[in-house]
Amino acid sequence: GAGVSQTPSNKVTEKGKYVELRCDPISGHTALYWYRQSLGQGPEFLIYFQGTGAADDSGLPNDRFFAVRPEGSVSTLKIQRTERGDSAVYLCASSLLARTGELFFGEGSRLTVL
Amino acid sequence: SQQGEEDPQALSIQEGENATMNCSYKTSINNLQWYRQNSGRGLVHLILIRSNEREKHSGRLRVTLDTSKKSSSLLITASRAADTASYFCATGRTGGGADGLTFGKGTHLIIQP
Repeated sequence: GAGVSQTPSNKVTEKGKYVELRCDPISGHTALYWYRQSLGQGPEFLIYFQGTGAADDSGLPNDRFFAVRPEGSVSTLKIQRTERGDSAVYLCASSLLARTGELFFGEGSRLTVL
Repeated sequence: SQQGEEDPQALSIQEGENATMNCSYKTSINNLQWYRQNSGRGLVHLILIRSNEREKHSGRLRVTLDTSKKSSSLLITASRAADTASYFCATGRTGGGADGLTFGKGTHLIIQP
C-alpha cells in the first residue's frame, strides 16, 4: 500500500483479555516502530525493529507487552491480560533506513479496555 | 520520558494571524523534526532541520533552531482553519534518529475562523 496501515482501527476489550494489533509498513521500509499515545500526550516509544529483530524494546512497559515482525514486514503488537491502564492509541511508524530519521505513521489503533 | 517540550500547551488565534510554537530539548541532536496531528489521526511529518542549520522554510512554515539554547520554534504564517491540529517536535532517541524519535507533549493549535 501507499502508506502505513494499522488494524483494527478500534478495539474494545474486557480487562484480562488478550489483544493483537497489526501494522503493515510502507513497502521497502526496514525500520518499524511502535508508539503509544494517551489523551493529551505525545507518542511514547515502545519498541523498534530493524528487519526481523527487535533492536530496542526498552519502551515496553512490562512483560505483558510483546511484539513480533517475523518476515521483516508486517508487525504485530501483542498485549496479554489487558488492564484498563492499557487504554490508549497505539501508533505504528516506519522509516527507510539511511534516511534522516523521518517517520511515516499509520492512523493508529485505539484500544479501550473496559 | 519525553525529550522535547513544546510551549505553549495550547494556542488559539484568529485566521490569518501567525502562530508560533516553541520546543526545548535536553540532549545533543543531529536533527529536530516537527510533526502535525489532526484529531484522531496519525502524525504527519512537516519539516526537518539539521543541527548545522539555523533556519528552514517550507511553504507557510518557518523553523528555527538554536543549538546553544537547545530550542526550536515553528512559525505558521497566514494561518487557516485547516491548520487546527496538535504540533509536536521530535528529536532522535539517541541523537541520530534512525532508531526512532522522542516526542514532546505537543501544542494544540486552534484557528478561529
